[in-house]
Amino acid sequence: QSVLTQPPSVSGAPGQRVTISCTGSRSNIGAAYDVHWYQQLPGTAPKLLIYGNTNRPSGVPDRFSGSKSGTSASLAITGLQAEDEADYYCQSYDSSLSGRVFGGGTKLTVL
Amino acid sequence: EVQLVESGGGLVQPGGSLRLSCSASGFTFSSYAMHWVRQAPGKGLEHVSVISSNGGGTNYADSVKGRFTISRDNSKNTLYLQMSSLRAEDTAVYYCVKDGAARGGGWFDPWGQGTLVTVSS
Repeated sequence: QSVLTQPPSVSGAPGQRVTISCTGSRSNIGAAYDVHWYQQLPGTAPKLLIYGNTNRPSGVPDRFSGSKSGTSASLAITGLQAEDEADYYCQSYDSSLSGRVFGGGTKLTVL
Repeated sequence: EVQLVESGGGLVQPGGSLRLSCSASGFTFSSYAMHWVRQAPGKGLEHVSVISSNGGGTNYADSVKGRFTISRDNSKNTLYLQMSSLRAEDTAVYYCVKDGAARGGGWFDPWGQGTLVTVSS
């Protein structure tokens, strides 16, 4: 079991909007630690998508956005494209474990 | 351009040892904490270990504590992971990852291409 909980899969048609949730607890997201998101395309290494809850690294399209509230965070993808089909992971810090933790990952399928 | 290139993966028998290396370029290596993150086949990501910028501080996941040792050589811009008493459950792709910011940004960026470690008899 991952410390951060994500839905195993989400799907959407091209052009649609999808969201991926990341639920934590009072020892991680709820303790005001930042949430970061990664995209892993098939057969490749993960790539940073969102850092510090809402910030996009240069080169990441503004179709991707992050938010955080309470003990949860969300990644939203608008204008879904076929190339967005990938696994997405959230990540934060957990004070009880004294280390960085990941969600279990969410597979996005573009229908 | 920041580049992280891992090497040293391969097939090893249970109980054996292996040393991974990560050659870094394109940034001031000695200014950043560095990490190893692994991914078992078909599974999610697991933060294995971290080492501070000067090598004075380290931390490990409970799953590898006492068996793995992270180290770095700032004069060679190289990160290492010495793995011993390997188990089948250590089978994974091991990624070398740079800390997101020089003062500990909390995120991982970028990631190396990964090196596969297979523990099997």
